[in-house]
Amino acid sequence: AQSVAQPEDQVNVAEGNPLTVKCTYSVSGNPYLFWYVQYPNRGLQFLLKYITGDNLVKGSYGFEAEFNKSQTSFHLKKPSALVSDSALYFCAVRDPSQGGKLIFGQGTELSVKP
Amino acid sequence: GAVVSQHPSWVICKSGTSVKIECRSLDFQATTMFWYRQFPKQSLMLMATSNEGSKATYEQGVEKDKFLINHASLTLSTLTVTSAHPEDSSFYICSARVQQGGGVKNIQYFGAGTRLSVL
Repeated sequence: AQSVAQPEDQVNVAEGNPLTVKCTYSVSGNPYLFWYVQYPNRGLQFLLKYITGDNLVKGSYGFEAEFNKSQTSFHLKKPSALVSDSALYFCAVRDPSQGGKLIFGQGTELSVKP
Repeated sequence: GAVVSQHPSWVICKSGTSVKIECRSLDFQATTMFWYRQFPKQSLMLMATSNEGSKATYEQGVEKDKFLINHASLTLSTLTVTSAHPEDSSFYICSARVQQGGGVKNIQYFGAGTRLSVL
């Protein structure tokens, strides 16, 4: 079965510093990987996805993620964090064997301090 | 990106009543919609997958008679929480998958969520 893991419940970063939110995956076959962000009392917003192609994927709001097959990782990154980036981030994998449903990680709360 | 509208955003109801939540894809057709439940500070739990014109597929442990799902058109799915009780209080989120030209674009777009409080 497909799964993703986000090893950090919370990440704290100072504004202007680079940020990384970690995600590792376990899949059979080619992975379809996604990052979503959730602001308080809101639904999820799509940030970026990896299906195939370049390992470095660029997404919304200056975020990017690097697909690393050897390390089975798909970490989310941003060169310079903003206070407004503070939110809950979810990594997800799409499971074609289960009707294409998304399997979500536990979520990582990102806090960016001024 | 594609827009998914979810209504209402917040509902308070008495125990024993039923509540209907609507999920609409505003600018695309969604043959597949998903309903999730989320507890505070936790991940999303998939409740069911809804395909237009057919019965929903429920995840293990989700009561289909309690959480009625209808997907009558390519742009509308509804979730009805029947005979709601305080333990049903939660944040419910719908999602729609974009399908264009016979191929799936592999992106799910989410509604803003509905906070249900059962008194």
